[in-house]
Amino acid sequence: DAKTTQPNSMESNEEEPVHLPCNHSTISGTDYIHWYRQLPSQGPEYVIHGLTSNVNNRMASLAIAEDRKSSTLILHRATLRDAAVYYCILRTLLNRDDKIIFGKGTRLHILP
Amino acid sequence: SAVISQKPSRDICQRGTSLTIQCQVDSQVTMMFWYRQQPGQSLTLIATANQGSEATYESGFVIDKFPISRPNLTFSTLTVSNMSPEDSSIYLCSVETGVAKNIQYFGAGTRLSVL
Repeated sequence: DAKTTQPNSMESNEEEPVHLPCNHSTISGTDYIHWYRQLPSQGPEYVIHGLTSNVNNRMASLAIAEDRKSSTLILHRATLRDAAVYYCILRTLLNRDDKIIFGKGTRLHILP
Repeated sequence: SAVISQKPSRDICQRGTSLTIQCQVDSQVTMMFWYRQQPGQSLTLIATANQGSEATYESGFVIDKFPISRPNLTFSTLTVSNMSPEDSSIYLCSVETGVAKNIQYFGAGTRLSVL
């Protein structure tokens, strides 16, 4: 399985942008980059995903490096409610039975 | 999206007993999964619940310990059998609808404590 590497934890001030990095140097051409987050005492929730181009939705933006070996999840204006563990995950298009395998993720602390 | 209800939300059980966790989805889904999250850890996939056939277990998990049922496209159960304190974890159900491509939706989880 293609693997991802994320920092264990990050801190950010409230109302400032947050850039969460993810390295995936062994990514293949058919792997999508997915981000999920897990708020305290909740199950994970989908945030965003992309293949090659940068993506935006109401929750966040995903910036993908040109060589696709890294990506960055961007929260444009962090709030206290964004404090969570963020998981960067690769998912292949080739295997219809592909499963989500969670790494350790990045624990994001938001300072008021 | 999909709305997932898990029952119970939490339980405290005695060693040697079994607990069945239910997962109900508000729409028909193709894929259902069961995960375990031990205290302070990430999620570990236990098995994929297949409708109409036996579940597919990940390495380290066996049917005798974690029997799974999936009688239809909206419901599944996970049983934690012959529990020990090491089974104290959060157990989460997730689904993939097939409509939103490869996006999984998760229940809130069942927090299990074994004494």
